[in-house]
Order: sequence, then C-alpha cells, then structure tokens
Amino acid sequence: QVQLVQSGAEVKKPGASVKVSCKASGYTFTSFGLSWVRQAPGQGLEWMGYISTNDGSTKYAQNVRDRVTMTTDTFATTVYMELKSLRFDDTAVYYCARGYWYFDVWGRGTRVTVSS
Amino acid sequence: SYVLTQPPSVSVAPGQTAAITCGGNNIGSQSVHWYQQKPGQAPVMVVYDDYDRPSGIPERFSGSNSGNTATLTINRVEVGDEADYYCQIWDSSSDHPGVFGGGTKLTVL
Repeated sequence: QVQLVQSGAEVKKPGASVKVSCKASGYTFTSFGLSWVRQAPGQGLEWMGYISTNDGSTKYAQNVRDRVTMTTDTFATTVYMELKSLRFDDTAVYYCARGYWYFDVWGRGTRVTVSS
Repeated sequence: SYVLTQPPSVSVAPGQTAAITCGGNNIGSQSVHWYQQKPGQAPVMVVYDDYDRPSGIPERFSGSNSGNTATLTINRVEVGDEADYYCQIWDSSSDHPGVFGGGTKLTVL
C-alpha cells in the first residue's frame, strides 16, 4: 500500500538545524511530488513547500524560504526537509504529504521541539 | 497571499447534517480540497477538486463550491466524525501557492 514513513522525533536548540526524512513506498516515486506541511501545538496546518521528485525543483513558502531546503533521493525514494537557524516557534509536527495541488497521502508526522 | 476563512467550530447532533464553510475571494474559481484531522493523527483527505471523494471515504461526505464560499457537507453525522476539518487550495498565481483555512472543530453533541 502507499506509505510515507517519516523519521523520528527531534529536540534541537535554537539556532541549530534539523533534517527530517520521508520515505515513500507502494507507488512510482517520480510520478508524484511531495510537500511538507507543519502544525504548531494547538494550531492549524501550514504549507511549507513542495519538491518535484522528477527534477528536484522546489517551491517554498515565503516565511521559511531563506531557511528551508528540500531535497530528493530517487534511488532511496526519500525526500528530505532541512530547516536551519531554528527558532522556538519552529516547534511543530512536520508532515510530508504526497502531491502539491492536493495532498492525498500523509506521513504520520515528525515532532520537532526547539528548546534551550 | 490568498486567505481562506473557516468558522472555528460547528456543532451537530448525531444523525443530522453538518455544513462546514470555507470563504475566500471568488473561491468558486479555485479547486478546493478538504481534510479531516482527528486528535493525535495525521490529516486525511476527504474531498478533492471541490466534490470528488477519495476511495474509502463514505458517500456521507460531499463538497460544493460557488461564488465566495466552498462547503463540506457531512450527512448523517456520526460520533466518529468529530474532528478538525481544513479546507485548502493551490493558488498557482501566488508566490505562496499552498493555502489552508484555519480549521473548523466539528463537535458531535
């Protein structure tokens, strides 16, 4: 079945970086792009960006554009989201989701906590 | 960037019909997608492209979109439908194309 399996929870200090992985299985990896969506505690969903698994092109949200990098490894059928210069308000659950127009399959989420 | 407005909460009795709205400027010209999120779980898509249902989603879930309002309708509401619901569009003309509404908490009384 189609699955997106994400890496485990992370605790980071302010100013550090975090890299979250999302391994896809059960479908042709390069047929669908992958997006990242985050959710701060008690808050709604926030779109962060998208990566094409075909050519690696990306589109990032304005508010994280200067700190986020999304990459893809076709051989490993895995995409990565790295967020640098972490701030306290980056504390959230980070989801990968298949697609960009809409998101039909979601990972279970990776909790990232930024704490001193 | 485009703004989607949802009511914070909607309450309905079991067996009744729930309507969750999503407002936006001329949203009828966009394709609207809806997600259900239960506590501690990842979102699940329940409607895409205004009114289409993914496989496995009950027919009780339906969508419509016209003018400045899109609506997710849940017929014969069940206790298990209690969740947060989010609308979403892809505004391809925007520098910030992925847009979610603020979410609506559906309470089944």
